[in-house]
Amino acid sequence: YVLTQPPSVSVDPGKTARIPCGGNKIGSKSVHWYQQRPGQAPILVLYDGADRPSGIPDRFSGSSSGNRATLTISRVEAGDEADYYCHVWDSSSEEQVFGGGTKLTVL
Amino acid sequence: VQLKQSGGEVKKPGASVKVSCTSSGFLFTSSAINWVRQAPGQGLEWMGWISTYNGDTRYGQKFQGRLTMSRDTSSNTVYMELRELTSDDTATYFCAKDPFDYPSQPREGWFDPWGQGTLVTVSS
Repeated sequence: YVLTQPPSVSVDPGKTARIPCGGNKIGSKSVHWYQQRPGQAPILVLYDGADRPSGIPDRFSGSSSGNRATLTISRVEAGDEADYYCHVWDSSSEEQVFGGGTKLTVL
Repeated sequence: VQLKQSGGEVKKPGASVKVSCTSSGFLFTSSAINWVRQAPGQGLEWMGWISTYNGDTRYGQKFQGRLTMSRDTSSNTVYMELRELTSDDTATYFCAKDPFDYPSQPREGWFDPWGQGTLVTVSS
C-alpha cells in the first residue's frame, strides 16, 4: 500500500496550508498525521483523520474522502514549518505505512 | 508518558545493534511498542511491533529474519536488535507507543508518544 505526498508545500504566514496524502480508498481508513521538526522526533498532530491530541491547536484539522486525505493548517505560523507525514494501517499486508513526507515552508 | 532511548551507536557492516527504549508514565505491561526508522534525509519506515503485555511480536516483511524485538518487564524496557547490518541500515531508530490497551496484534492506530531517537551509523 502506497501513500503519496508532495515533497513540499509553501504558504504565507497567516494563510491556510493544505497537505494532501493520496492512497487507494484512503477515505475508508483511519489516517494519522505527524509533525517532525529538524533533529526531533515526530509528534502526533491528528489521529483518526480529524481528532487532535491534547495540546495541538485547533488550527490543525483533517479530512479524507475517496483516494485523498488532507491535513489543513489554518492561520499558519512560522513555528509550523516542519515535515508532515501521513500514516495508515494496511490490513492487506498487516503493516503500518507512512507517506513520504511533505516539507512545509512558511514564506 | 515518556519513552527514553539508548544512545547512538557506530557499527561495522555485518555486525548487530541493540537499541533500548525505556518507558515511564503508563502501565508498561498493558501496551505495545512500535519501532520506526528514518534514514538520513528520508521518510519514516515501520519496522515492527512488540506487545509489552505478552511479548508477542510482528515484524515488517523487509526485516524478517534479521530483526528481533524483546522486552524486560522488570525495567519497563523494550529492545530492538537488528543483525547483519549494512550501510543501508544507517538511520535514526525511534520507538513509539501503541494507543490500545492489551493489544493482541498491530492494527489501525496512531503512535504517541515517540522516543527521542537513536542514531545508528554503519560504516567500515
